[in-house]
Amino acid sequence: KAGVTQTPRYLIKTRGQQVTLSCSPISGHRSVSWYQQTPGQGLQFLFEYFSETQRNKGNFPGRFSGRQFSNSRSEMNVSTLELGDSALYLCASSSPSTGESSYEQYFGPGTRLTVT
Amino acid sequence: GQNIDQPTEMTATEGAIVQINCTYQTSGFNGLFWYQQHAGEAPTFLSYNVLDGLEEKGRFSSFLSRSKGYSYLLLKELQMKDSASYLCAVTNSGSARQLTFGSGTQLTVLP
Repeated sequence: KAGVTQTPRYLIKTRGQQVTLSCSPISGHRSVSWYQQTPGQGLQFLFEYFSETQRNKGNFPGRFSGRQFSNSRSEMNVSTLELGDSALYLCASSSPSTGESSYEQYFGPGTRLTVT
Repeated sequence: GQNIDQPTEMTATEGAIVQINCTYQTSGFNGLFWYQQHAGEAPTFLSYNVLDGLEEKGRFSSFLSRSKGYSYLLLKELQMKDSASYLCAVTNSGSARQLTFGSGTQLTVLP
């Protein structure tokens, strides 16, 4: 079955702009988590959505937000972009609806955001 | 808070065995994951330990000691393709899907 997909794969924005990133989980997965990866800070948890509800949130400013739709697809939005927001944004899906163990998170290829 | 430590870099020879250690301090520990990440690619799941002991999966094994806050990933019969970053991550009882990652260990396998 198809893996986690993220669009776009690459994005260049300027400071002050906003950006929306999209993630489509593996079919049947209801949980989507977002992570930011930078060389300096590594992989950091942003938030998790399950059945359209935010269940957990990491230590990021309110400029970072997200949502999940009824088909489990998720978007994250970053407003008023700063240079430090340049990173690889990864989403991961889990919680399959049938029989497999639900603790494995399957990561998408990521969106590489560059803020200039 | 949570603190996870793992070596920054390791080097080993093809065919050898390498052990990557991870120590953690966290409240409400739930489980520990190991992920592999090749340069420019997404992390891929390797193992998940909740209980003390060794979990073996092919050439890879992972060990956990909850009382010591310690885990290791053991890679046997190293291959060139094993050159990658290995990430240790923990979850707490609040959510099994909120992963807190270590900074990763960059493993280089030499011929």
